[in-house]
Parts: sequence; C-alpha cells; structure tokens
Amino acid sequence: DGGITQSPKYLFRKEGQNVTLSCEQNLNHDAMYWYRQDPGQGLRLIYYSQIVNDFQKGDIAEGYSVSREKKESFPLTVTSAQKNPTAFYLCASGLNLGNTEAFFGQGTRLTVV
Amino acid sequence: AQSVSQHNHHVILSEAASLELGCNYSYGGTVNLFWYVQYPGQHLQLLLKYFSGDPLVKGIKGFEAEFIKSKFSFNLRKPSVQWSDTAEYFCAVNARAAGNKLTFGGGTRVLVKP
Repeated sequence: DGGITQSPKYLFRKEGQNVTLSCEQNLNHDAMYWYRQDPGQGLRLIYYSQIVNDFQKGDIAEGYSVSREKKESFPLTVTSAQKNPTAFYLCASGLNLGNTEAFFGQGTRLTVV
Repeated sequence: AQSVSQHNHHVILSEAASLELGCNYSYGGTVNLFWYVQYPGQHLQLLLKYFSGDPLVKGIKGFEAEFIKSKFSFNLRKPSVQWSDTAEYFCAVNARAAGNKLTFGGGTRVLVKP
C-alpha cells in the first residue's frame, strides 16, 4: 500500500533525552513536512523539505532537528533543548512544495516525563 | 500574528443545520488554499482545494468553499450537516510569498448533535 508511515504511534521519554521520530513515505513525493499539533493551536510547522539533502525551518524549529538523506525518509529529532516536547507530531508529504495537497501520516504522540 | 486565522474554535449545531466556517489569511500574491478534516481517531484528510479558476470549489461529502480574493478569505460551507460531520476542520494556505510552506489555521471543532 502507498502511504506515509510514522512510528511509533506512542513514545515515552525521560526529560533531557533526545528522541527521534520516524517518517517514511513510498509515494515518490519530493516534499515532506513535520507539524506539531496542540489543542487549540492547530498544526504548527516545524521543518519542511522540498528535495533530498535540503530542508528549511518552519515556524517553531527551535529544539528540533531533521535530516533528509533519502527521498522517502524525513526523521525528526526532538532534542533536550525543546522546552515543551510533549505533543502530537504529524508528518506529511506532497508531490512538491506549492500547489499540491499534502498527505498525512497517523501521527506520533510523544510524552516526556 | 497568525498568518491563517480561523475565527471559530468550537461550533455546535444540530443535524440538518447549515455550517459555515471562516478562514482568513494574510499573504499577498499567489496562494493555494485547502480545507482538511480530522475525524475522531483518524488522520487528516483533504476536503477540498483551490488553485485557480472558479472561486467556488466543491469537495467531498457535500462541502464547498468560496475564495474571495478581495477579502483574503476561503470560507467552508455545507448546507445541511450530518452527525458524521463531527470533526475538526483546518484551513491551510500555501503562499509563494512565504516560500511555499503549507501553513495551517488553528482549527475549528465541530460537534453535530443528532
């Protein structure tokens, strides 16, 4: 099946630890995105990438890092510098940046204790 | 200030009532506009999109939206809602002026009472 896979669905980490969220797509899309969803705040863009080996900061990039070494993969690392990391994280992809729709994964709920 | 604004955070209405959700954006120039829906326990999915042409666009499940360029708006409408329309609705804008990143509004939670 074609689609976007985020793993794991639920993730627990201790405060002060870095954690990496996985996002894989087999849709042959160039563009990929990471969003954070918090109640009442909608989706806020963390990082996005329009092509392999290139990525841009979104609106709330502080405390996060990404890589785009392969077209199908766009992992997000939540570092210990992120002050409020507990949230629901959504990955998406699209044919390209611009006038194409984004397809979303099922999300990863990260809880930092 | 938020670049994509959804004015209603929560809407409660009865079945068969009409629904209109507001969306305004602050980007000039070329924009592409989207409405996404998130049903309880499900992932985000596209309801409809506007790129160019007829400013009144029709989407899935009887939804439609109207792009009014002079008002920087892209409001979502449905003439008669069903209980199954209970969901969270998100407006999103892709603007060349903002580097083509896809920016979402804060979302509107819609509860349809049977």
